[in-house]
Amino acid sequence: SQQGEEDPQALSIQEGENATMNCSYKTSINNLQWYRQNSGRGLVHLILIRSNEREKHSGRLRVTLDTSKKSSSLLITASRAADTASYFCAWTRSGSARQLTFGSGTQLTVLP
Amino acid sequence: GAGVSQSPRYKVAKRGQDVALRCDPISGHVSLFWYQQALGQGPEFLTYFQNEAQLDKSGLPSDRFFAERPEGSVSTLKIQRTQQEDSAVYLCASSLEEATRNEQFFGPGTRLTVL
Repeated sequence: SQQGEEDPQALSIQEGENATMNCSYKTSINNLQWYRQNSGRGLVHLILIRSNEREKHSGRLRVTLDTSKKSSSLLITASRAADTASYFCAWTRSGSARQLTFGSGTQLTVLP
Repeated sequence: GAGVSQSPRYKVAKRGQDVALRCDPISGHVSLFWYQQALGQGPEFLTYFQNEAQLDKSGLPSDRFFAERPEGSVSTLKIQRTQQEDSAVYLCASSLEEATRNEQFFGPGTRLTVL
């Protein structure tokens, strides 16, 4: 069962607009990562933010992390049709756990 | 190879059959993970290896699921007496060193359909 939530579940925007996806989790974490998954494909790593970081940028991606609220957001600026995919947040829990726990995912559709 | 590879990409099994799914991690990656992804959901952890040692198998749903990595590289996930609820995509991921610090690189997955 999932131990976090992502919202919205689905998001549809026009090309050129920004897309924001939110993730909430329930435990203390070491780091949080965002992945993209195209239909029928594996997961592609996008960005990792450590628990002592608050914001990170990579190209058109901006990730924020608020450990006090146990939440993260992923912003994709100037979206393109090729950004259409499912986006998942995932985290490693504090302590000895090494596996990723995934959120429920956001299905992003960027309309040309 | 350049990334994590998995085979077969698709597997159809009759209920009750045994299946074996293979994962070739990125060369030199110490950590290897198996995840199960049901349709429309995020992946869920099954088991974790550090080299050849299986350090965590808490996510395996039943004793019909067995994983091994005998030489610390290639891994096999075996499912005995498959059931319809086993239908899912099985993802393998590898990570360079201590997995708490490094991102995991995923293979394309094996889509298992149990009829």
